[in-house]
Amino acid sequence: SQKIEQNSEALNIQEGKTATLTCNYTNYSPAYLQWYRQDPGRGPVFLLLIRENEKEKRKERLKVTFDTTLKQSLFHITASQPADSATYLCALEGTGFQKLVFGTGTRLLVSP
Amino acid sequence: DARVTQTPRHKVTEMGQEVTMRCQPILGHNTVFWYRQTMMQGLELLAYFRNRAPLDDSGMPKDRFSAEMPDATLATLKIQPSEPRDSAVYFCASGTRDTNTEAFFGQGTRLTVV
Repeated sequence: SQKIEQNSEALNIQEGKTATLTCNYTNYSPAYLQWYRQDPGRGPVFLLLIRENEKEKRKERLKVTFDTTLKQSLFHITASQPADSATYLCALEGTGFQKLVFGTGTRLLVSP
Repeated sequence: DARVTQTPRHKVTEMGQEVTMRCQPILGHNTVFWYRQTMMQGLELLAYFRNRAPLDDSGMPKDRFSAEMPDATLATLKIQPSEPRDSAVYFCASGTRDTNTEAFFGQGTRLTVV
């Protein structure tokens, strides 16, 4: 069956360090992989999208990698800040904006 | 400031009652998703529409849930009859290929069935 797995345990890091979150999937062949941020009581907010033919994408302090052989994406936040504390969700999508399916998310806590 | 609007924000209802949740997608978006979020299951895709036509509702319990788009500005999700296990936050999201497939989420409807 299809699975999207993210670390269910919270990730605790110190301010200024790089946070790395993992998204693994099985039985999928996504055309796109997306990362979202969700704050308590709010809906998810889009951060980055990476295509199956791209290895890496960057946006400000964010970096996403996509390895279709390993079926894994890594999401990095460099120079992390307490304001980065949130739950981060990865989502897989087929071609033509089909069926956007989410992982369960990983909670990130950045301490001052 | 374009955004997805969901109503109501909170709903408490008794088991067996009908619940209707509404969503106004962003004007011009042709794809609408309905999700349910719980602590145990995370964000589950219930159904989604393209140009108001249902494309996939395989994630939805068919016997009690129904989703429709009466027009391009309104999507509805109904539960009849509701059960305590339906308690969750229900999110609507909209998007289009023109926005690089980014999905814009509403604030959600927090449903409690007692």
